[in-house]
Amino acid sequence: QLQLQESGPGVVKPSETLSLTCSVSGGSISNSLYYWGWIRQPPGKGLEWIGTIYYSGSTDYNPSLKSRVTMSVDTSKNQFSLGLTSVTVTDTAMYYCATVWGKYTPGWFDPWGQGTLVVVSS
Amino acid sequence: DIQMTQSPSSLSASVGDRVTITCQASQDITNYLNWYQQKPGKAPKLLIYDASNLETGVPSRFSGSGSGTDFTLIVSSLQPEDIATYYCQQYDNLPFTFGPGTKVDIK
Repeated sequence: QLQLQESGPGVVKPSETLSLTCSVSGGSISNSLYYWGWIRQPPGKGLEWIGTIYYSGSTDYNPSLKSRVTMSVDTSKNQFSLGLTSVTVTDTAMYYCATVWGKYTPGWFDPWGQGTLVVVSS
Repeated sequence: DIQMTQSPSSLSASVGDRVTITCQASQDITNYLNWYQQKPGKAPKLLIYDASNLETGVPSRFSGSGSGTDFTLIVSSLQPEDIATYYCQQYDNLPFTFGPGTKVDIK
């Protein structure tokens, strides 16, 4: 059974880069059935998809964040990562990683990591 | 982007009540619609995928229906453990988008 765990700093200064890692256990990140994704949720608000990556390194990003987002995968460590540059207070959120999959195209998120709160503050 | 709306934004119901949540897409998304349950302080959990398919392990009191632009999540008999916020999500087109959520609590 796949399990995902986010890690990274809980506080990031404005204008700096947010960096998070998601560690996958219970299965291989190179499994061709799965994609891997990041979703965030500002405090008290709804969910926003950030992006999705395949083990090959192929990515899709939300256009609203595309200029600031980089995702990568490390198959040797069974991990994938998120980088978000030039952060502002509006990037304060719970960040979740998740497995993305579907019947014919990746479309649903299951399972999710427990989430990690990132606060942008000086 | 495809905009997702949900109604109501919140509801209060009694244990045993039938609860209905609707989700509407701004354009036809066929059946590429998923539902999630998020309990307070927890990560979302997939309940239903492709509009009507119950995820393994999800109680059968949950069901989903719809296609095109209009979708429904039904809880046939509300239980105390169903207190949560429910989100719909489309994957017909990138970017994936979520509805704003429906918060359910017990009367």
